[in-house]
Amino acid sequence: TQLLEQSPQFLSIQEGENLTVYCNSSSVFSSLQWYRQEPGEGPVLLVTVVTGGEVKKLKRLTFQFGDARKDSSLHITAAQPGDTGLYLCAGAVWETSGSRLTFGEGTQLTVNP
Amino acid sequence: KAGVTQTPRYLIKTRGQQVTLSCSPISGHRSVSWYQQTPGQGLQFLFEYFSETQRNKGNFPGRFSGRQFSNSRSEMNVSTLELGDSALYLCASSPVSRAKGNYGYTFGSGTRLTVV
Repeated sequence: TQLLEQSPQFLSIQEGENLTVYCNSSSVFSSLQWYRQEPGEGPVLLVTVVTGGEVKKLKRLTFQFGDARKDSSLHITAAQPGDTGLYLCAGAVWETSGSRLTFGEGTQLTVNP
Repeated sequence: KAGVTQTPRYLIKTRGQQVTLSCSPISGHRSVSWYQQTPGQGLQFLFEYFSETQRNKGNFPGRFSGRQFSNSRSEMNVSTLELGDSALYLCASSPVSRAKGNYGYTFGSGTRLTVV
């Protein structure tokens, strides 16, 4: 069974602060995906990282995939109240019969004005 | 283009009943996956369908089943409902099945099922 450990589980910060969310596993994934979910809605894909050591930037968000493709991090610079939400990492596994996502427990981020 | 559509949005059922949930993927997407989200267990994979065939199945009892139609629309069924089946059921579509995980998924807004 593949597991993804995500930390921290809860994060409450002030507007303008920086933060990092971590996602770790003992398993290798084909890719690592980050989603953001609002209450009552489905997760929305933010980014997919595929290559070990890959770094992707999306405005104030920076995503990194570990060299061994077992871990990832999400760094937000100068957080804003609009960044509030549930952030989920998900490891994608490709099997001969298809694919599936294994999700971390999620990080509930609250950015206070 | 239209996103992933799930119906109904909310459902209340009695223990022992059965329920059918529907998912219409993004046009052109042939892979449809289902996930269960609960506060205690988070998001867990139920199954994946591609070209009307179940390609992958998660660790759920046989009460959970699904199917996919020729137009890629999918349904999932839960029989003999239990209180613990109360959850947000999410459907996700993807353009391909064997993409080695390089493609992200587009999720619907989910069906909130409450079993009383």
